[in-house]
Amino acid sequence: EVQLLQSGAEMKEPGHSLKISCEVSGYSFAVYWLAWVRQTPGTGLELVGVINPTDSTVIYSPSFQGHVTMSVAKSVDTAYLQWTSLRTSDSGTYFCARLWPTSIDSYYFDFWGQGTLVTVSS
Amino acid sequence: EVVMTQSPDTLSVSPGEGATLSCRASQNVRSNVAWYQQKPGQAPRLLIYGASVRATNVPVRFRGSGSGTEFTLAITSLQPADFAVYFCLQYNTWPPRAFGQGTKVEVK
Repeated sequence: EVQLLQSGAEMKEPGHSLKISCEVSGYSFAVYWLAWVRQTPGTGLELVGVINPTDSTVIYSPSFQGHVTMSVAKSVDTAYLQWTSLRTSDSGTYFCARLWPTSIDSYYFDFWGQGTLVTVSS
Repeated sequence: EVVMTQSPDTLSVSPGEGATLSCRASQNVRSNVAWYQQKPGQAPRLLIYGASVRATNVPVRFRGSGSGTEFTLAITSLQPADFAVYFCLQYNTWPPRAFGQGTKVEVK
C-alpha cells in the first residue's frame, strides 16, 4: 500500500527556519517524482515544486523559487521542504504528493500525504 | 500559462440527486485532466484521470468527460460521503501546476 506520511503541524515566528518531511512507503522511492503543494483559503492549491528523488533535480514554481528548498534522503525514503526565514505569507497546509507519469511530459498526482499545517505568526 | 476555471463555486444538492461540475481550460489540454475530491482536514483523493478514467476503487457514480478545453464531472445519486470539495487539475504541461479553484458540493 502506497503511503506518504508527513511530519506534524508547526507554529513558528517570522524569520525562523523550518524543515518539514514526507516519508513514503509501499513503492520504490527513487522511481517517481514527488511534489509539494500548498493550500490556503485564499489561493487554493498551488504547486511549490517537484523533485526527482533519483538525482535530486528540482523545479520550483516561480513564486516559491529562492524562498524554499526541496531535498530528499534516499536512505530513509523521505522528502523535505525547508525555509531559512519564514514569512507570515508562508502559512498554509503543505501536502506532498507522488507524480504518476502518463507520458514523457504528462504527470498527475495520484497519492497524497495527509498534510502539514504551517502557521507563521508573531 | 494555462488557467483552469471551475463552475459553479458552490452546488447545493439533495442526497440522492445528481450533480454536474464543470472545469474550463484557457487553452487546449487534450485529455490531460484529473479530478480530485477533498473533505475537510483531509488530503485530496484522486477520482478521475485522463478526463474520463476512474481511479482505483472510485464508485461508478462518478463519471468524467470532455477534452480540449471543456470538462465535466458528473455524480449520480449523491451519497452522504460525496459532499465535499472537488478540484480539477490540468497536467498537459510540466510540471502540473494549474488547479481549478474548487467546487463545493453541499447538502441542500
